[in-house]
Amino acid sequence: AQSVTQLGSHVSVSEGALVLLRCNYSSSVPPYLFWYVQYPNQGLQLLLKYTSAATLVKGINGFEAEFKKSETSFHLTKPSAHMSDAAEYFCAVSLNRDDKIIFGKGTRLHILP
Amino acid sequence: DAGVIQSPRHEVTEMGQEVTLRCKPISGHNSLFWYRQTMMRGLELLIYFNNNVPIDDSGMPEDRFSAKMPNASFSTLKIQPSEPRDSAVYFCASSLRGGSSYEQYFGPGTRLTVT
Repeated sequence: AQSVTQLGSHVSVSEGALVLLRCNYSSSVPPYLFWYVQYPNQGLQLLLKYTSAATLVKGINGFEAEFKKSETSFHLTKPSAHMSDAAEYFCAVSLNRDDKIIFGKGTRLHILP
Repeated sequence: DAGVIQSPRHEVTEMGQEVTLRCKPISGHNSLFWYRQTMMRGLELLIYFNNNVPIDDSGMPEDRFSAKMPNASFSTLKIQPSEPRDSAVYFCASSLRGGSSYEQYFGPGTRLTVT
């Protein structure tokens, strides 16, 4: 069965600093991978998705993620954090594009002024 | 597009009462998902439908939970009888299976409190 592990339930970075949120996946077949963001009192919103077309995936709001098969990782990065990036971020995996998505536990990102 | 619509946004009920959560997916979408989010367990998939047919209900916690999708534009999640441990935020999401963009679009959620 597929699964994702997000390292760190809380991450704090200073405004303007690099954001790095870690995600490792487990899948028996080449996976589809996603990052979603959840702002307070809202539903989840897709940031980006990996579908085997390119290993470096660019998403909204300046975020990007790199698929590394050898490390079974799909870490999310942003060069410079903004206060508006404060939210909870979920890594997720699916066996195919039309299958159910399995979400990680989430990482809450705090931005320090 | 109005997005995924859920009602009510907040529900407070007493233990033992029946609770019905409602969802209207995005028009044209053919897959619908119900999730539950809690601090302890994170985001859990309860059940999902394709073309109004339940495909996987393995996440439904127990027989007190039931979900229906009578047509392409409406779904309900019912809890009967409700218990305090059912307190959570329940999300509905929809997507277009087979489409070029299979992203799941989430509703704003229903915050359920069972006292």
